[in-house]
Amino acid sequence: QVQLQESGPGLVKPSQTLSLTCTVSGGSINSGDYYWSWIRQPPGKGLEWIGYIYYSGTTYYNPSLKSRVTISIDTSKNQFSLKLTSVTAADTAVYYCAAGYNAFDIWGQGTMVTVSS
Amino acid sequence: QSALTQPITVPGSPGQSITIFCTGTSSDVGAYNYVSWYQQNPGKAPKLMIYDVSNRPSGVSSRFSGSKSGYTASLTISGLQAEDEADYYCSSYTSSNTHVFGTGTKVTVL
Repeated sequence: QVQLQESGPGLVKPSQTLSLTCTVSGGSINSGDYYWSWIRQPPGKGLEWIGYIYYSGTTYYNPSLKSRVTISIDTSKNQFSLKLTSVTAADTAVYYCAAGYNAFDIWGQGTMVTVSS
Repeated sequence: QSALTQPITVPGSPGQSITIFCTGTSSDVGAYNYVSWYQQNPGKAPKLMIYDVSNRPSGVSSRFSGSKSGYTASLTISGLQAEDEADYYCSSYTSSNTHVFGTGTKVTVL
């Protein structure tokens, strides 16, 4: 059974770059069974899809974040990563990694990232 | 892309059936049968309850069912139980090869 675990700094300064990694266990990120997604949820608010990557490296991003987001994949480490540049307080959220094809079948536990000086 | 529209709250009594609606556009809900529903309890990650409009993953109670008509998808919970009190989100694949979530609905069991 595939499991996901997010990791990265819990505090990022305004204007800097938020970087998170999702480690995949129990399966291969190369399997082609899933698209690997990032999703976030600001405190007290709803879910927002950030983007996803396929094992081939193909990426799709939320148009509202596209100019600031990069999702990459490291098949040798069975990990995929998120970079969000020029962050502001509005980027404070719980960030989840998720896996699925037409839905999000599997979720990580989430990691809280606060943007503050 | 705009979030799919859901009611803020849906109340229900134990044993009752409730339905949550999720309204999109011709570019998302109306375009594909790739609507999914998620249950989220406080402080927890969302859990997939329905995929491809009406399919239940293994282990999800048969009390949960989904359907779609036009630009509106719906999640019905029958035989409402106290444990069903949670936030529920719909999601859809879009014509831009992206995904969009609904605004979220809080189900309260009276």
